[in-house]
Amino acid sequence: DAGVTQSPTHLIKTRGQQVTLRCSPKSGHDTVSWYQQALGQGPQFIFQYYEEEERQRGNFPDRFSGHQFPNYSSELNVNALLLGDSALYLCASSLRVGGPYEQYFGPGTRLTVT
Amino acid sequence: LAKTTQPISMDSYEGQEVNITCSHNNIATNDYITWYQQFPSQGPRFIIQGYKTKVTNEVASLFIPADRKSSTLSLPRVSLSDTAVYYCLVGDTGNTGFQKLVFGTGTRLLVSP
Repeated sequence: DAGVTQSPTHLIKTRGQQVTLRCSPKSGHDTVSWYQQALGQGPQFIFQYYEEEERQRGNFPDRFSGHQFPNYSSELNVNALLLGDSALYLCASSLRVGGPYEQYFGPGTRLTVT
Repeated sequence: LAKTTQPISMDSYEGQEVNITCSHNNIATNDYITWYQQFPSQGPRFIIQGYKTKVTNEVASLFIPADRKSSTLSLPRVSLSDTAVYYCLVGDTGNTGFQKLVFGTGTRLLVSP
């Protein structure tokens, strides 16, 4: 049973560019959440998708957008990259109906903006 | 969502029991208490969750006093591989029914030989 997978593993972009990160949820899961983790900090919630719609959003600007596909996989898009966007981006999947707070995280995508 | 306070770091030795306490004074009635573990360059991993009293699984125990204003994660007989950051989270699904995790800075546990 495959867990949460993310691609790419690492990515280097230049300020002002756009980036797309991808996530495949754990088999059987229908909800995908995205988190940003800066070095030395805990993960910060970006947004969450269920049934192809954004259901919750954290305190992130509109430059951060996402999408969920019919097969439950998801993409995170970041436009007009800033140096401060350099971080580990984590995807987590869960079941819409299930025990509170048990989310399964992927290994993350390390984004470096130069 | 309730704010949590936990020690920034802890040190231990192999074979010892480690207890990490988390303070959550403004926990709400519907809030659950959940702990995650994170190794460097990996995503967090769910350890244990509880609402009140004591919960035990194959990895850890979670002790929650009657007033629920704090909780203690207990790791029995730690090994070097337990060196990680441990996060305490408090909250529920709220009116939306969706699970939003709010992480603090966590407790860095270092286990030495």
